[in-house]
Formats: sequence, structure tokens, C-alpha cells
Amino acid sequence: EAGVAQSPRYKIIEKRQSVAFWCNPISGHATLYWYQQILGQGPKLLIQFQNNGVVDDSQLPKDRFSAERLKGVDSTLKIQPAKLEDSAVYLCASKDGYTGELFFGEGSRLTVL
Amino acid sequence: DAKTTQPPSMDCAEGRAANLPCNHSTISGNEYVYWYRQIHSQGPQYIIHGLKNNETNEMASLIITEDRKSSTLILPHATLRDTAVYYCIVRGGADGLTFGKGTHLIIQP
Repeated sequence: EAGVAQSPRYKIIEKRQSVAFWCNPISGHATLYWYQQILGQGPKLLIQFQNNGVVDDSQLPKDRFSAERLKGVDSTLKIQPAKLEDSAVYLCASKDGYTGELFFGEGSRLTVL
Repeated sequence: DAKTTQPPSMDCAEGRAANLPCNHSTISGNEYVYWYRQIHSQGPQYIIHGLKNNETNEMASLIITEDRKSSTLILPHATLRDTAVYYCIVRGGADGLTFGKGTHLIIQP
């Protein structure tokens, strides 16, 4: 079974530039999550989708972050404009609807200079 | 905020059992205890979960106290590849996962 795919794995940008991350969840998983993990901390939930609808985006900094999952499969997370404090690993996860287990991708590491 | 308390770091000798404690004194009756681990530069990986009873799978055992206020994850024969950050998470139903800082387990050769 293929896992959660994310790209790019690494991205370096300057502050005020924009960046987009892509996630392809495990086939058949309706629930998709984006997490932000700052160095030395545990992952923090940014947004949760159920199919193409947003379930929880209470911790998403909406002035600069946006996310979509238009067809209920792939998802993109965009940051515009980026700040230094956005340097982190962005993790995508999808949930097995039967077991409730979350499967994570390897993450996209963003460095903002 | 995370509902669990874990030691920031632990050491264990290779081949020995690693016992990772977790306190979750405010756990509700319908909340499960989940354990995930994160190896360096990878995403978190599911290990095990339980509600009341002790659980065992091919990776680990989970011991939950009778009052459910604490639990212990046991890796029976630790290897160097078990070096990782281990997260204990209390989770209700369809909730997502709220991570704390976890325990950095270092397996010594």
C-alpha cells in the first residue's frame, strides 16, 4: 500500500516570498490533516479536511496560510507571504476511516531566510 | 494543549526493555491512549493504542493503570533503530491528534 506522499521535501525561500506544499493521501482516506512542526516541538495541527470540506482550521494563521482539497483527494498548503517563524516541517496525514489510525508523510521542510 | 506529561528524555541499553511512562490524570472515560513515534527526519508512526485493557502488538505493549491516569509503553527488546521521539496522546473518538513534546528515547549500544 502506498503511503502519504508529500512534495517538495525541502524548500528554501526568502521572507515575503510564497511557497506551496502538495500532499497525496492514502487512497480511500477521507480525512486529511496538515501539521506544522517547529524544531524541538511536537507537530501542531493547522487544518483538518473531511473529503473536500474543512472540519477544523482554528489554528491556521489565515492572514498568510491557505489550504485546499478541491476534489477531496490531493491537498495543497500555501504560505504567502512567508515569515522567518514559518521555518518548520509541514506534515500531511490521512486517517484510516475504519481503524482511526493516522498515517503521516515524510514532511516538507521549509527554511525561510 | 496536550493532556499528557512525559519525561523529556530517557536512555536504554540495546537488547533491554524500554519502559516509557506517561501521565494523563485528566483523561475522560471515552478517551483512548495512543502512542506514536517519530524517527529523525520522518513523519510520526503509529505504535499502539488502548482504552482500558493492556494491549500488545508486534511492536510494543501498552500497560494502562486501573484508574487510567497513567500508562507505560514497553518496547521489549530495544534496538538502535528504536531511537526516536515517542509521543503519548490522549484522543477521543474522531478527534485528530494533539502532540506534546514527547520523550526522546536514546538506545545505547
